[in-house]
Amino acid sequence: NAGVTQTPKFQVLKTGQSMTLQCAQDMNHEYMSWYRQDPGMGLRLIHYSVGAGITDQGEVPNGYNVSRSTTEDFPLRLLSAAPSQTSVYFCASSPPRGPILNTEAFFGQGTRLTVV
Amino acid sequence: GENVEQHPSTLSVQEGDSAVIKCTYSDSASNYFPWYKQELGKGPQLIIDIRSNVGEKKDQRIAVTLNKTAKHFSLHITETQPEDSAVYFCAAPQAGTALIFGKGTTLSVSS
Repeated sequence: NAGVTQTPKFQVLKTGQSMTLQCAQDMNHEYMSWYRQDPGMGLRLIHYSVGAGITDQGEVPNGYNVSRSTTEDFPLRLLSAAPSQTSVYFCASSPPRGPILNTEAFFGQGTRLTVV
Repeated sequence: GENVEQHPSTLSVQEGDSAVIKCTYSDSASNYFPWYKQELGKGPQLIIDIRSNVGEKKDQRIAVTLNKTAKHFSLHITETQPEDSAVYFCAAPQAGTALIFGKGTTLSVSS
């Protein structure tokens, strides 16, 4: 059981480039989320999904796209990277208990992204 | 949507002292309140959580209290040790779907 796996661990992009951050979980969790962590700002929700085929925007969705074609995978796409997207990105997954989230979220180890 | 405020942003204590971190939330429908610990270079890990049908929960040196009327919850760490030094986050669910986090508290325990 690997838990939540994020790749790559580090990435440097040039302004305007696009890329996809990968997130995979092997716990058969329905709920998955992407967060960015910046100094003094805590963890801010970018996008989330409550199941395959269902995604929604979080607090800071601009400049990012997501899709959820399988239960296991939840990739985050940067469309045209900007220096303001320099951050540490975390993916998380949770098993819902009933129709709402009220159980532990498991986090990946993070992707440190630098946009120059 | 849910809004979570966390205080203080930094906290320094001597080994053996107690530490208290407080959070408030905005959505009265929220019913699940976890606390996460993040060590350097790692992802956050759950240390304790509480659901709205109880007012307090303890796990060894860690406890969480919840006041639903006032919409606030607190993390209490007793007999702090150097290995408790980390960043701590509180959170609450947004419309029962994804967690919204506070800005974090950097706890430093000096020996």
